This record gives sequence, C-alpha cells and structure tokens, in this order.
Amino acid sequence: DAGVTQSPTHLIKTRGQQVTLRCSPKSGHDTVSWYQQALGQGPQFIFQYYEEEERQRGNFPDRFSGHQYPNYSSELNVNALLLGDSALYLCASSFRAGGEKLFFGSGTQLSVL
Amino acid sequence: AQSVAQPEDQVNVAEGNPLTVKCTYSVSGNPYLFWYVQYPNRGLQFLLKYITGDNLVKGSYGFEAEFNKSQTSFHLKKPSALVSDSALYFCAVRDSSASKIIFGSGTRLSIRP
Repeated sequence: DAGVTQSPTHLIKTRGQQVTLRCSPKSGHDTVSWYQQALGQGPQFIFQYYEEEERQRGNFPDRFSGHQYPNYSSELNVNALLLGDSALYLCASSFRAGGEKLFFGSGTQLSVL
Repeated sequence: AQSVAQPEDQVNVAEGNPLTVKCTYSVSGNPYLFWYVQYPNRGLQFLLKYITGDNLVKGSYGFEAEFNKSQTSFHLKKPSALVSDSALYFCAVRDSSASKIIFGSGTRLSIRP
C-alpha cells in the first residue's frame, strides 16, 4: 500500500520562474492538503483540495494555485517565484475534507536562487 | 480563527526521565487536537489525536497527551524518554467547523543518554 508520494524531491529555480509540484495521495484517500515549511518553522497551510475543488485556503497570495485530478492526485503551482518561497513543500492526504488524520509525503525541497 | 502555540523551542531530557512538550490552542468551536513528529528529512508522522471523550489519549511509541479544556492545553507526555524520541514535535488543531489543520511552530526534543 503506497503512502503519499511527492515529486520531485528537490528542485532549484531562479526568481521569477514558475514551478509545479506533484502529489499522489495514499490509496483510499480523496483529499489533499498542501503545506509550506520554512527552515526551523512549522508547516503553514496553503490550501486543501477535495472533489477537484479548492475547499480551504490559508494566507498565501494568488501566485500559489493548485489542481486536483479525478484520480485524486494534486499539483501545486507557484508563479513568479521569490527568494522567500524557498522551503519544504509538504503534501498531506486524508479521507474526506474533514479527515482526522493526515498522512504526509516526504516533501519537495524548493530552492529559489 | 484557530491557532496553536508551542512555547518551548527546545526541550532537553535525560534518557529514562519523564518528558512533557507543551501546547496551547485557540479555536471558536470544539477542538480537534493532534500531535505529529518529524524526523530529519522526512514528512510528519501522526502520533495521536483528541476528538472527544477521555481527556488522556494514548498514541504511538508510548506517547500520551492530556486535554485540558479550562487551560486550552494539550501537552504531550511520555513516562520514560528514549534517545530515539529525539525529533521535532508539532502540535496541531482543527476547528470542528472547518477542515484545515493548523500546526504550531514545533518543539525540538533532545534526549541525552
């Protein structure tokens, strides 16, 4: 039973570029939440997707957008990258939007130069 | 708005001694409370949760947490610490009326032999 998988594991971009991160949820899960974890900080909630729609959003600008596909996999897109976007991006899956237990992937480490 | 605070950046305990990692929360409705652990270069792993019922909840690896409604706290505890417990611990909260889970800033637990 595969857990949550994220790709790529590491990514280096330059300021102003665009990036797409991908996530496949744990088998049987239908909800994906994205978090940004800066070095030495706790994960910050970006948004949550359920039934292919954005259900909840944290305090992130519109440069951060996402998508969920019919197979429940999800993408996180960040446009016009800033140095401050450098962080570990974590994907978490759960069963239903109010799922009580999140399963996390190992994350994508994004470095913006 | 929901929020969670972890007042200690680091907790140092000798192996075999009891440990406590503190957490306080703020929600508008009934709280759903969680503890997660993060090992280096890994995603977060679920430890335990409180939804309703007994104020003392037991979780993975011998950890337990005590819910205190009057103090709005949910402290993580373990009777006898192991060196292998050394990791980053996050408290998290969800309002019963929302689906997003918010994380604290984390507490680094260091167990010395």
